[in-house]
Amino acid sequence: DAGITQSPRHKVTETGTPVTLRCHQTENHRYMYWYRQDPGHGLRLIHYSYGVKDTDKGEVSDGYSVSRSKTEDFLLTLESATSSQTSVYFCAISDPGALNQPQHFGDGTRLSIL
Amino acid sequence: ILNVEQSPQSLHVQEGDSTNFTCSFPSSNFYALHWYRWETAKSPEALFVMTLNGDEKKKGRISATLNTKEGYSYLYIKGSQPEDSATYLCARLWLGSQGNLIFGKGTKLSVKP
Repeated sequence: DAGITQSPRHKVTETGTPVTLRCHQTENHRYMYWYRQDPGHGLRLIHYSYGVKDTDKGEVSDGYSVSRSKTEDFLLTLESATSSQTSVYFCAISDPGALNQPQHFGDGTRLSIL
Repeated sequence: ILNVEQSPQSLHVQEGDSTNFTCSFPSSNFYALHWYRWETAKSPEALFVMTLNGDEKKKGRISATLNTKEGYSYLYIKGSQPEDSATYLCARLWLGSQGNLIFGKGTKLSVKP
């Protein structure tokens, strides 16, 4: 399995609080992604990073920010969590030096906003 | 965002049945098509990455074909087993993307013993 660790694995918090999810990789892959998974929607891209300090928005980026200060860590922050952000969040990594390589996913973080 | 469509949404088969699902996608600016297998309470696991029109890939009892000109891919499972029960996702990569995948909503397969 690719070395991807997401933390925390589960979190329950209240509306309006800040939340940060962490994705840590040991593969030295350049690209990292944050997705959310919701019933009826499949996987949707929130933000991605193509290198240290290089990030861009995905399909559902509103209400989220990211940071990548070093290759191995990609942080997803909900500045002021809302109930609509209750979801399962997956981090993925890839090495698009060879674009016929798949993405590798972490085990997910289940986030509940009450 | 160019949508990726998967059908059927769900499928219930008996152990031993063979089955197939469809992934449809816009054919313009195509680069690659990914298939993932996603078991409940686990993370998606890559099955195939296909890039060329006419590509066929196989892993055990699972195989996939690709038609980039008409914009579809088929995933076949021969002799389904209960352990094949999962959601099967396809995702499209297009020219100029930063490795970003557009996922379909998946086909949920349930195999009854």
